[in-house]
Amino acid sequence: GQQVMQIPQYQHVQEGEDFTTYCNSSTTLSNIQWYKQRPGGHPVFLIQLVKRGEVKKQKRLTFQFGEAKKNSSLHITATQTTDVGTYFCAGKRSNDYKLSFGAGTTVTVRA
Amino acid sequence: DAEITQSPRHKITETGRQVTLACHQTWNHNNMFWYRQDLGHGLRLIHYSYGVQDTNKGEVSDGYSVSRSNTEDLPLTLESAASSQTSVYFCASSAQGYSGELFFGEGSRLTVL
Repeated sequence: GQQVMQIPQYQHVQEGEDFTTYCNSSTTLSNIQWYKQRPGGHPVFLIQLVKRGEVKKQKRLTFQFGEAKKNSSLHITATQTTDVGTYFCAGKRSNDYKLSFGAGTTVTVRA
Repeated sequence: DAEITQSPRHKITETGRQVTLACHQTWNHNNMFWYRQDLGHGLRLIHYSYGVQDTNKGEVSDGYSVSRSNTEDLPLTLESAASSQTSVYFCASSAQGYSGELFFGEGSRLTVL
């Protein structure tokens, strides 16, 4: 079955620094979504990427979809304490409603 | 405002008991999903439904069942609870079509003793 691998599992970041989390799929994806889950909360949708090589930005967050549509990345610049949480990527195959989630990257921030 | 709600939010039960977790959405979404979340495993799909009377097994469906008698509800039943089913369960829904984002409920924390 489809597997989505996400690295790193944990990211400890100094406030103000940048970091990147990566997502890789064993199969070609029709689209990929990113979610954020705050501690004790539920996953909340951030963004969806559909096109090869697509890049989207949300303030300090930059999302990228690979040319082969098998990998994606989330880059956060100037990390803030509000960025604490777990970031999940989730991939979807063509003609399928189901999402396969990566294990997530849990981010902690040192002030 | 439309929403998705889960109940109970916390449940403690004993091994062997039947447990049902409720999920109710007012988005009028056709697609509904149940995931479980465990440390190190992320979100794993248990069961899903694409519409009324439709149910499908996900990747970790053993010991679980669902029914879809209307658009709004997808209850998840643990037939005979096991300690391995101690987890946080999330219900989610998405609009018709292949590209919809998932809207998650607040989660139900289940402990099986």
